[in-house]
Amino acid sequence: DAKTTQPPSMDCAEGRAANLPCNHSTISGNEYVYWYRQIHSQGPQYIIHGLKNNETNEMASLIITEDRKSSTLILPHATLRDTAVYYCIVRVRSYNTDKLIFGTGTRLQVFP
Amino acid sequence: ETGVTQTPRHLVMGMTNKKSLKCEQHLGHNAMYWYKQSAKKPLELMFVYNFKEQTENNSVPSRFSPECPNSSHLFLHLHTLQPEDSALYLCASSQKHSAGGETQYFGPGTRLLVL
Repeated sequence: DAKTTQPPSMDCAEGRAANLPCNHSTISGNEYVYWYRQIHSQGPQYIIHGLKNNETNEMASLIITEDRKSSTLILPHATLRDTAVYYCIVRVRSYNTDKLIFGTGTRLQVFP
Repeated sequence: ETGVTQTPRHLVMGMTNKKSLKCEQHLGHNAMYWYKQSAKKPLELMFVYNFKEQTENNSVPSRFSPECPNSSHLFLHLHTLQPEDSALYLCASSQKHSAGGETQYFGPGTRLLVL
């Protein structure tokens, strides 16, 4: 089972910041938080990941709480092309294999 | 373009057919993965290969047979599939033991329909 919980859907106006929350209260100390998104029927696209510190790249920012039990993905200026399902994933290690266990994600709808 | 390609992009096959899905990564990675995404269900990990060795088989039926001849290529051989095997099959690759985490990069997927 996925170790994360996300709201099933969110709306965001174009040009506004989209803040997508994620709870991962059972995360272990060495487990990373990853964010991917999937536009309809395409392969998941990597967005960002982090361990403890907040991270920023050209696509988004990742804010991780100090206790690491939750995080927020921020798309600073959402566009219509950001409409997708966003997955928050805790990468777990099992028998020397790293696994991404996908949940059902948050369906973000960006509207004009 | 993620550097991971998959062919074919679409495949229709009968239950008695034998077909193969191909994945190729151009990223110099040493781990490759097969995932299955059925309609309205989360992605499910099927197989993992590290350095060409299979390290994970997630209770996948034997009608799915993976092959990893080298670290750049991954195949999924299909035979006597069932209609419920219709799904999007995704390949991914990553670099194991890389600093900062091992990010998986996905291909575009093969949309499979079993009749």
